[in-house]
Amino acid sequence: QLVLTQSPSASASLGASVKVTCTLSSGHSGYAIAWYQQEPEKGPRYLMNLNSDGSHTRGDGIPDRFSGSSSGAEYYLSISSLQSEDEADYYCQTWDTGIQVFGGGTKLTVL
Amino acid sequence: QVRLVESGGGVVQPGRSLRLSCAASKFTFSSYSMHWVRQAPGKGLEWVALISYDGRNKFYADSVKGRFTISRDNSKNTLYLQMNSLRVEDTAFYYCAKDGARATTNSYIDYWGQGALVSVSS
Repeated sequence: QLVLTQSPSASASLGASVKVTCTLSSGHSGYAIAWYQQEPEKGPRYLMNLNSDGSHTRGDGIPDRFSGSSSGAEYYLSISSLQSEDEADYYCQTWDTGIQVFGGGTKLTVL
Repeated sequence: QVRLVESGGGVVQPGRSLRLSCAASKFTFSSYSMHWVRQAPGKGLEWVALISYDGRNKFYADSVKGRFTISRDNSKNTLYLQMNSLRVEDTAFYYCAKDGARATTNSYIDYWGQGALVSVSS
């Protein structure tokens, strides 16, 4: 079964960098994923598409402070120069024909 | 800028029906598959249903299969979700979402609506 696993929470200081992790279930490989940001009381926003080779494409208007990388079954969202408005929930998502799968989300706190 | 506007949410009793609509604009609606994704209060995102760009292929999450029906009218740039036999656990914000790849069945989601709240309660 295709599953994405995320740590429930992460934290980092204002101006620092943070890496959020998304793990693809065993037996699955080569999948691309997408990262989304959801600020409190708002709908999700597409951040980027991240391929299994680590190449990524950011969505419209997404600053280059947001980047992606991957290693094996792990996919990462890195945010540099953290700002207060980066405090949000972050979701990863992947797909196969006729199915979309979301990770459980990571709540990022900016200290 | 792509615009997706949901409507039709509200409060409904268990076992009753509701239909959500999503008006799409600022992109070629008929070229993209569309999704419904929901989020229960305080919970994560759950994919609900997908319809291909031409309306020929429809897919559902197991939790709604047999009760919900996704459809689209490409002449009106509108996506629908007919929800029957509603349950308390269907209570959530329902988001209309655009697939990111042109003329394919499904891929990542690149635009989301603002959401419509469906509350199922007796």
